[in-house]
Amino acid sequence: DIQMTQSPSTLSASIGDRVAITCRASQSISTWLAWYQQKPGKAPQLLIYEASTLESGVPSRFSGTGSGTEFSLTITSLQPDDFATYFCQQYHSFFYTFGQGTKLDIK
Amino acid sequence: EVQLVQSGAEVKKPGESLKISCQTSGYPFTNYWIAWVRQMPGKGLEWMGSIYPSDSDTKYSPSFRGQVTVSADKSVNSAYLQWTSLKASDTAVYYCARLRRWPQGYFDFWGQGTLVPVSS
Repeated sequence: DIQMTQSPSTLSASIGDRVAITCRASQSISTWLAWYQQKPGKAPQLLIYEASTLESGVPSRFSGTGSGTEFSLTITSLQPDDFATYFCQQYHSFFYTFGQGTKLDIK
Repeated sequence: EVQLVQSGAEVKKPGESLKISCQTSGYPFTNYWIAWVRQMPGKGLEWMGSIYPSDSDTKYSPSFRGQVTVSADKSVNSAYLQWTSLKASDTAVYYCARLRRWPQGYFDFWGQGTLVPVSS
């Protein structure tokens, strides 16, 4: 299995801040990486795929970068709706695996 | 509009069987793989398995192979996840999700989740 490790596990920030979440793969996955947002009691929602392609309807303050084994999700100018948990997912192999999640909460 | 609507919460006892469903609409059901994803209480997401409804080709995570069965019924545009003998450790929320493409795919639409508490 390809292991995905996110950091940090928890991130505290304020409205208007810029934050970045990192996801590392245990082996190269090219750009076969997606990011999801999950709010309490809700299903995850796709934000970004192919490491940097924004899903339709997702605000442009979300962006993704990276390739190989290191990736990041950046949110510029945090909005109240952005406080949630974020997961990365690799799809280099169809034995899909997710990171353990990063909870973004209000400072 | 693509929609995946899952069956409701099920309270079960250890040893009982269960089949939960995921009814889809708004797209050609047989053209896309459907996956099941587990989320244990307070934990992350785990891919369990996927099915291609067109021919019922099925792939399982090694962690779940033999523990669950994934199936689909083209006549009602639905996918299913089934257990023959539940354990307390199966307590989780289970999501179905559509894979945009195969095999290198990501989950573009999700069901609302089915809560399965298993307790004696």
